[in-house]
Amino acid sequence: DAKTTQPTSMDCAEGRAANLPCNHSTISGNEYVYWYRQIHSQGPQYIIHGLKNNETNEMASLIITEDRKSSTLILPHATLRDTAVYYCIVRVLGGAQKLVFGQGTRLTINP
Amino acid sequence: GAGVSQTPSNKVTEKGKYVELRCDPISGHTALYWYRQSLGQGPEFLIYFQGTGAADDSGLPNDRFFAVRPEGSVSTLKIQRTERGDSAVYLCASSLFSTGDEQFFGPGTRLTVL
Repeated sequence: DAKTTQPTSMDCAEGRAANLPCNHSTISGNEYVYWYRQIHSQGPQYIIHGLKNNETNEMASLIITEDRKSSTLILPHATLRDTAVYYCIVRVLGGAQKLVFGQGTRLTINP
Repeated sequence: GAGVSQTPSNKVTEKGKYVELRCDPISGHTALYWYRQSLGQGPEFLIYFQGTGAADDSGLPNDRFFAVRPEGSVSTLKIQRTERGDSAVYLCASSLFSTGDEQFFGPGTRLTVL
């Protein structure tokens, strides 16, 4: 799987939009971008995934650049409960099934 | 509905002992995964089951680690002759199929080897 690069940590004020970047410059044409998050002492939780079009669900929005070499996860109105480690993962749909986690971004939402 | 459950939530053992960690996936999920997470690191893949068979065990660190899923539902991760370096949180996940669906994770078992 292609590697991803994320900032080690970020801070965001409660109520503001949190924008988490991810670089995946070696992504292949058939690889999707997945985001998971892990709240302290819990297992990872799926957030969203996409191929090349922007995606939105009840949790977040995913913006993928036209060249697909980077993406941004957007939490539109961050709350204290969004404090977690966020992992960006690239993965072939239908290919190797394991998730390859990097170090992720530790997002802290401040009151 | 019930999510993925793992037992025990915490396990403390002595070096050299044998341990078993259990995972109950979401009912109907055909794919089951084991990961290991060391402090400050992201989860690391161990093994993946599709039904009863291990489809990918490339992440098992050595032959002290073994996992089974005899009836295609509950899985047990077995560690023989535990070492202090085995201390970690062991996470289990399941997905409906194996075609890249969302993986649902359990809360993990924290294993401490003294």
